[in-house]
Amino acid sequence: EVQLVESGGGLVQPGGSLRLSCAASGFTFSSSHMHWVRQAPGKGLVWVSRIKSDVITTTYADSVKGRFTIFRDNAKNTLYLQMNSLRADDTAVYYCARDASFSLDYWGRGTLVTVSS
Amino acid sequence: QSALTQPPSASGSPGQSVTISCTGTSSDVGGYNHVSWYQQHPGRAPKLMIYEVTERPSGVPDRFSGSKSGNTASLTVSGLQAEDEADYYCCSYAGSNTVFVFGSGTKVTVL
Repeated sequence: EVQLVESGGGLVQPGGSLRLSCAASGFTFSSSHMHWVRQAPGKGLVWVSRIKSDVITTTYADSVKGRFTIFRDNAKNTLYLQMNSLRADDTAVYYCARDASFSLDYWGRGTLVTVSS
Repeated sequence: QSALTQPPSASGSPGQSVTISCTGTSSDVGGYNHVSWYQQHPGRAPKLMIYEVTERPSGVPDRFSGSKSGNTASLTVSGLQAEDEADYYCCSYAGSNTVFVFGSGTKVTVL
């Protein structure tokens, strides 16, 4: 059974940093592209970032470019999102999701990030 | 990249059909046959319902169907059931620099 479990969310002050993790199991993680998608409270889904299975190729939404870094450890079957210079509008539930060739077929339950002083 | 445009709400009685539109541009919906749809119940993770415009993942009822014409994709839910009441989001591939763009979301109410 495919499982994605996010962790690392919490309350952080504006300008602060946070690292999210997504532990994957039940599939060949090293062969899968992976994504982060976020959802602000009461709002819609917004794509954040993708990392390909090659570990090197990464893409970001303009809103997080230069502040967030996606990376992965295929030996640990874990996806990460390093978030720096956090702003109030980064407050959201962050989901990791598996890429299924132009769609996202499995999602985690999400982890809540709150940016507030 | 702006969000794809969806109507904020749609509704129907049990057994009826409801269709949700998703309008983008030639850079996303109109440019690729890579439109997917997601169902999200309150407090839950999104669930893939349709991929590649018309394809259903295993386990998704055939009451759910997708289509596309030009820059607009559509999701139809036939034979509405109470458990179909949820938020629905379209999503389109938008090229290697943007990857994905989601729709604004539609709340479906079963009357």
